[in-house]
Amino acid sequence: RKEVEQDPGPFNVPEGATVAFNCTYSNSASQSFFWYRQDCRKEPKLLMSVYSSGNEDGRFTAQLNRASQYISLLIRDSKLSDSATYLCVVTLSGSARQLTFGSGTQLTVLP
Amino acid sequence: DTGVSQDPRHKITKRGQNVTFRCDPISEHNRLYWYRQTLGQGPEFLTYFQNEAQLEKSRLLSDRFSAERPKGSFSTLEIQRTEQGDSAMYLCASSLRQVGVGLGYTFGSGTRLTVV
Repeated sequence: RKEVEQDPGPFNVPEGATVAFNCTYSNSASQSFFWYRQDCRKEPKLLMSVYSSGNEDGRFTAQLNRASQYISLLIRDSKLSDSATYLCVVTLSGSARQLTFGSGTQLTVLP
Repeated sequence: DTGVSQDPRHKITKRGQNVTFRCDPISEHNRLYWYRQTLGQGPEFLTYFQNEAQLEKSRLLSDRFSAERPKGSFSTLEIQRTEQGDSAMYLCASSLRQVGVGLGYTFGSGTRLTVV
């Protein structure tokens, strides 16, 4: 079983749609949680951290449920520029300096 | 350019050859990381340096792989006797020690290796 699992995708949605991505992690001692964004043939970039209380950054909302070991990302009012692969990322207890990535979920926002 | 720089951007090599990649981190960043990403997968951690000390190594880093950061600045990743399974994007990242893990990571554009 992979340490971080994500919806396989791809997600193709029209502009203006709301889309949600899910992610589960297997290690209950995981410490920190993030969503990264990766454009085609580019490097990953931090989109936002994920906190237990939930957090919002403009059109993006991230949620963490430690009991269910579940992370989500909600994108409202999708833009064409949101098209990318979204990577769920955790840090594991005992390896606090390395990031463990999911396989990513590909999003295409259609005009 | 104040970002993380990787060289070369692309490398095609024949199976069995040795290759070396270079990473120049952001100058004030004392932490440096190497990751590998294959098609359709997320990046996988390979190794981590704090200054010149290599503090963590993944099981993925077989004995054919070696990484160095001799003066705590740039780093090199060498793969000996390359295999077709080594074909991947090799990503370097750097961060400041004072910044929480995962935050303040800056990735380079990567070196894409193709072993033929």
